[in-house]
Amino acid sequence: GDSVTQMEGPVTLSEEAFLTINCTYTATGYPSLFWYVQYPGEGLQLLLKATKADDKGSNKGFEATYRKETTSFHLEKGSVQVSDSAVYFCALLPNAGGTSYGKLTFGQGTILTVHP
Amino acid sequence: DAMVIQNPRYQVTQFGKPVTLSCSQTLNHNVMYWYQQKSSQAPKLLFHYYDKDFNNEADTPDNFQSRRPNTSFCFLDIRSPGLGDAAMYLCATSREKAYEQYFGPGTRLTVT
Repeated sequence: GDSVTQMEGPVTLSEEAFLTINCTYTATGYPSLFWYVQYPGEGLQLLLKATKADDKGSNKGFEATYRKETTSFHLEKGSVQVSDSAVYFCALLPNAGGTSYGKLTFGQGTILTVHP
Repeated sequence: DAMVIQNPRYQVTQFGKPVTLSCSQTLNHNVMYWYQQKSSQAPKLLFHYYDKDFNNEADTPDNFQSRRPNTSFCFLDIRSPGLGDAAMYLCATSREKAYEQYFGPGTRLTVT
């Protein structure tokens, strides 16, 4: 079945540091890929998405590129802020029929803490 | 702004006392989902509606039920909450199954 693996957390950085959170996936076909962010006590917010190979999703300084050859969708940001402290989830969504159609598969989440 | 709304944001119920959580959307999306999330774990899908078609996950306990009276509203009913049902409950919507899901702010359920 489909699966998503994120790098082990938590991740602790100083403000203005470079961020990478690794995400790799296993899926049949060509799923859509997402990064969601969850701030404390809140729901998940869609951060960015990519729907086909070599697509780059970007939002609020975050970027991720859909790499079919390495089955990866790593999240990056050049300069993190304290306000980026949150839990980040990588997820995939099958784009064809089957029992998992329409169902997100999440990674385990990565807790990011940014210190001033 | 179009959005997904959940009420209440915090709900306290007693062990065994039925409770209903509500979700509404102004996005006019066809699909509505209910997730359970514990601690900072990944959300776990309980069930979803595609229009009026209800789809239950195989491992969702019978204690959890759902209703979707119209396109805009969806309810989660927990018939006899146990201590293990304390969690964050998230509602999400998507235009169609192949599209991204948008989440509401969640309802934090406490069982005493």
